[in-house]
Amino acid sequence: DQQVKQNSPSLSVQEGRISILNCDYTNSMFDYFLWYKKYPAEGPTFLISISSIKDKNEDGRFTVFLNKSAKHLSLHIVPSQPGDSAVYFCAASDGGQNFVFGPGTRLSVLP
Amino acid sequence: GAVVSQHPSRVICKSGTSVKIECRSLDFQATTMFWYRQFPKKSLMLMATSNEGSKATYEQGVEKDKFLINHASLTLSTLTVTSAHPEDSSFYICSARVFGTVVAFFGQGTRLTVV
Repeated sequence: DQQVKQNSPSLSVQEGRISILNCDYTNSMFDYFLWYKKYPAEGPTFLISISSIKDKNEDGRFTVFLNKSAKHLSLHIVPSQPGDSAVYFCAASDGGQNFVFGPGTRLSVLP
Repeated sequence: GAVVSQHPSRVICKSGTSVKIECRSLDFQATTMFWYRQFPKKSLMLMATSNEGSKATYEQGVEKDKFLINHASLTLSTLTVTSAHPEDSSFYICSARVFGTVVAFFGQGTRLTVV
């Protein structure tokens, strides 16, 4: 049973446009959510996070939105750049040892 | 962000031998370290969680006698793949977290190939 889902395995976006990556979770005990970016043969790098007490967190071109009632979050990247092409993992934590990753979405930003 | 260093980045070993992978937190003390395995085109699979000074907690289906984890200090955890077989070939990644925080920082990963 997947606790964190990323239903789109891949996404292609034109350079300069907005990329929207979605993530759904099932465990209501999760109260902290994170996005990681991963290039091939490298470890994931932390991008941005959001606490369940917020519905939006912004950092430069990256914004994460959280809809607790829908158990849904999304990562917006605008404007998208070719260097953003990578696999993006959504992760959720209950603040304790439980830290769960989604399956990832491969983003391709086309020049 | 905090720096986690994983070594080696790539290793090839013969079937039946053991391989040790190190994970170090360079600029912080990691009370908790995680070890993941990534299969091709799959997500990160948590293998085990280790807290400094205590035994690692293994996920269901992960053989603790095969994947030995040691977390003897606040800056170092090691994963030893014992009696490696070709099916152990994979990408192994560690991450570290400071007590009381949520964000985990990852090492650069180790590509293990067993021939």
